[in-house]
Amino acid sequence: GAGVSQSPSNKVTEKGKDVELRCDPISGHTALYWYRQSLGQGLEFLIYFQGNSAPDKSGLPSDRFSAERTGGSVSTLTIQRTQQEDSAVYLCASSRKLTSTGYTEAFFGQGTRLTVV
Amino acid sequence: QQQVKQSPQSLIVQKGGIPIINCAYENTAFDYFPWYQQFPGKGPALLIAIRPDVSEKKEGRFTISFNKSAKQFSLHIMDSQPGDSATYFCAASTAPFSGTYKYIFGTGTRLKVLA
Repeated sequence: GAGVSQSPSNKVTEKGKDVELRCDPISGHTALYWYRQSLGQGLEFLIYFQGNSAPDKSGLPSDRFSAERTGGSVSTLTIQRTQQEDSAVYLCASSRKLTSTGYTEAFFGQGTRLTVV
Repeated sequence: QQQVKQSPQSLIVQKGGIPIINCAYENTAFDYFPWYQQFPGKGPALLIAIRPDVSEKKEGRFTISFNKSAKQFSLHIMDSQPGDSATYFCAASTAPFSGTYKYIFGTGTRLKVLA
């Protein structure tokens, strides 16, 4: 596609329910990142994929959070038993395969605004 | 050591002024320093980036100044315009193929340029 696509754009869920957030990266991009942006806060790193593997899961806040990526493309971030503190904008970004000579830009989607009530 | 500290948190300038946003880091393995611009309701978009082998980079009205010894870098916006009003994030990343390539972001600076 033309850019990183995230769905849904908005999600309201009841406390304790599970939610799935989807990210469609730019075609051909091998790296995929999930970040969380709380109101008025910076971008908190959650997880990073290179292909289908996740070399760095260090940012996942708890074991209620998990993510997977299939076929080196679409990624799903799952939050189980949602809590009110999970309310935030969840941003996905992707970048293409790196070369030995430089870096490539990370392109962000518009995010999914999650509200836990 | 993985943090990137950004200041100020918010900034208001008159049109034509030169807002300056500062960032500092500790991890000497960081090798790439981009700045992202975010408008309300949108995802962040790359504005300008620098590698530590140069001390300054200009793109249009935007300039990054980089001080490797002090582990600091800053964004300057020349002749600022109301359309520059946005949140700006600095970031840092380690070299590729090092096992990790995540971007560490600062906490953001909300800039408002008055007409």
